[in-house]
Amino acid sequence: EVQLVESGGGLVQPGGSLRLSCVASGFSFSSYEMNWVRQAPGKGLEWVSYISGSGTSKYYTDSMKGRFTISRDNAKNSMFLQMNSLRAEDTAVYYCARIKFIITGSTGAFDIWGLGTMVTVSS
Amino acid sequence: ETVLTQSPATLSLSPGERATLSCRASESVSSYLAWYQQKPGQPPRLLIYDASNRATGIPARFSGSGSGTDFTLIISSLEPEDFAVYYCQQRSRWPLTFGGGTKVEIK
Repeated sequence: EVQLVESGGGLVQPGGSLRLSCVASGFSFSSYEMNWVRQAPGKGLEWVSYISGSGTSKYYTDSMKGRFTISRDNAKNSMFLQMNSLRAEDTAVYYCARIKFIITGSTGAFDIWGLGTMVTVSS
Repeated sequence: ETVLTQSPATLSLSPGERATLSCRASESVSSYLAWYQQKPGQPPRLLIYDASNRATGIPARFSGSGSGTDFTLIISSLEPEDFAVYYCQQRSRWPLTFGGGTKVEIK
């Protein structure tokens, strides 16, 4: 079964750090582009960051540049999000999501999602 | 960044009715637009990619159309399980962006 499982969320004080993990199973992890997407309580979806299959290309939304770092370990079928200088507005469920790949290439659409891990930034 | 505006914010319909959801982009995204469905407490589910292609296992009552800046998701006849929030998302340029969502609720 194709699956993504996030972990590492929790309660952290403003200015603190957390490292989220996403473990993949059921597919060839290194062949797929991966992302982090977040959703604040009661709000819509917000894309956070992207990493290519090899890990050489990375993109971030502007408000997270310099604070968040995405990485992956293909040998361990895992992706990570290091979050530093956390703010109250970073409180959200963080999902890892796979980009759908078809015979003609990447679709840029997220076809597999984990259940998410909750990050709460509060004093 | 490319802003996606979804309308209406809420759509109140009865089962069996047709739902028409709109997504407008602040600049052309070609056909690089996807649609998702999200139910409470669940992650989103991919419905449509590249504007008009149904994802694996998505029923034929869901269809997408459009290109450039104007896109539409149509649910031809609402089933009880279709009442949810729907999001559009573009992959034309960085940063990737989502629309604000349309809630389809039971009338």
